[in-house]
Amino acid sequence: GAGVSQSPSNKVTEKGKDVELRCDPISGHTALYWYRQSLGQGLEFLIYFQGNSAPDKSGLPSDRFSAERTGGSVSTLTIQRTQQEDSAVYLCASSLGGRVNQPQHFGDGTRLSIL
Amino acid sequence: AQKITQTQPGMFVQEKEAVTLDCTYDTSDPSYGLFWYKQPSSGEMIFLIYQGSYDQQNATEGRYSLNFQKARKSANLVISASQLGDSAMYFCAMRGTNSGGSNYKLTFGKGTLLTVNP
Repeated sequence: GAGVSQSPSNKVTEKGKDVELRCDPISGHTALYWYRQSLGQGLEFLIYFQGNSAPDKSGLPSDRFSAERTGGSVSTLTIQRTQQEDSAVYLCASSLGGRVNQPQHFGDGTRLSIL
Repeated sequence: AQKITQTQPGMFVQEKEAVTLDCTYDTSDPSYGLFWYKQPSSGEMIFLIYQGSYDQQNATEGRYSLNFQKARKSANLVISASQLGDSAMYFCAMRGTNSGGSNYKLTFGKGTLLTVNP
């Protein structure tokens, strides 16, 4: 079966541009998560969706970051006015529900490089 | 707050031997889950094994087993009969429940890079 799909796999852009990252979760998974992985910070939680709502946006590093999920499926993470410190791998995960014993399954990530 | 500590930045093991990757955790949540993930150099994060804090037995999944010692707050991953394809970064992670009942966020350790030698 299909796993979590993320696009693009790589994105190189200039500082100050906006970028949009896409995540297509495993079919039937109601919970969706975004994480960021960088050398200095390790793996950081960004945001969690249950259905189309985001009960917790506390991990978003600044107001330049936003995310939405429509139809309880695809999610987009948008970074406005990108900065060099935004360079990282952005990982999306989904799980069947939001319970502790339901593992999160990850996509291959989007490697974002800000020049 | 939750914290995961992986004290081994790198480990080496001979092919076909067993290896233990250490993980200790800290949380005040009444119940929680512990997870191990594998990340090969290609980048994908692969779920390996799960242990619930109230599970009576240690979790096992094929060649992976989790040595869970709740009193010591440790959740070490044991890989038996190592294979060359096991060479990867391994992350320990946890999810808990706070007083509000939210239990969605994974907190990760910094990882252990395992190299399997032929």
